[in-house]
Amino acid sequence: AQKVTQAQTEISVVEKEDVTLDCVYETRDTTYYLFWYKQPPSGELVFLIRRNSFDEQNEISGRYSWNFQKSTSSFNFTITASQVVDSAVYFCALTDFNDMRFGAGTRLTVKP
Amino acid sequence: GAGVSQSPRYKVTKRGQDVALRCDPISGHVSLYWYRQALGQGPEFLTYFNYEAQQDKSGLPNDRFSAERPEGSISTLTIQRTEQRDSAMYRCASSLGGSGSRVDEQFFGPGTRLTVL
Repeated sequence: AQKVTQAQTEISVVEKEDVTLDCVYETRDTTYYLFWYKQPPSGELVFLIRRNSFDEQNEISGRYSWNFQKSTSSFNFTITASQVVDSAVYFCALTDFNDMRFGAGTRLTVKP
Repeated sequence: GAGVSQSPRYKVTKRGQDVALRCDPISGHVSLYWYRQALGQGPEFLTYFNYEAQQDKSGLPNDRFSAERPEGSISTLTIQRTEQRDSAMYRCASSLGGSGSRVDEQFFGPGTRLTVL
C-alpha cells in the first residue's frame, strides 16, 4: 500500500533562512507521481510541483527547489531565503494510477 | 468559471440528517475528485469521476456516502444519516484529465466545512 510520511509536523524559521521540508514515500509501483501542495492560512490548496518516477532531475523554480531521490524514496522541498508569505502548511502527495495519498503536512512558520 | 467552487461553504447539521455538498469544477475539466480533510491532516481521497463516470469510490468510508456527476460537470457528494464523526472539511478538485488516471495537477475548491452536532 502507498504511504507518505512528512515527519516534520511544524517548522519555525526566521525570514531569509533556508528551510527544507522532508517527504518520504512508500509504493510498490514503478510508475508513480509525486506532488507538493501549499495550503496558506486562507485554506485553499495550491499546486506547486509534479514529478514522475522516471524523472529524477532536481527542479528549481525561483526560491523553491525539489530534490527527488528514488534510492531513499524521498522528495524533499527546499525554500531558499524564506519569506513571511511562505508561512503555510505544505503537503506532499503520491499517486499512481490507482490511488492517491497525501502526507499529514508540515506547518511552516516564517517569522519576520 | 475561474476556479472550482463549492457550496455551501459552511454547513451545520444535526446528527441523523442528510446533507448534500455541491462542487462546480473548472469549465472543461474532465476529472473531478472528492476529498475529506480532518483538522491537522492531509486530504483523504474519497472518490473521483471522469466525465460522468465514477472511476473509483474505494475511499468512501461507508454506504452512507455517495457521489454523482450526472452530466459530467457539477457533482454532488451526499452523506445520509450524518454522524458526528463525519464533521470535516470536504474538498473538491478538478483536473484536465482525459487520461483515465489521477496524475494530473489538481485544482482545489475552497471546501465545505461540515459540522454535525
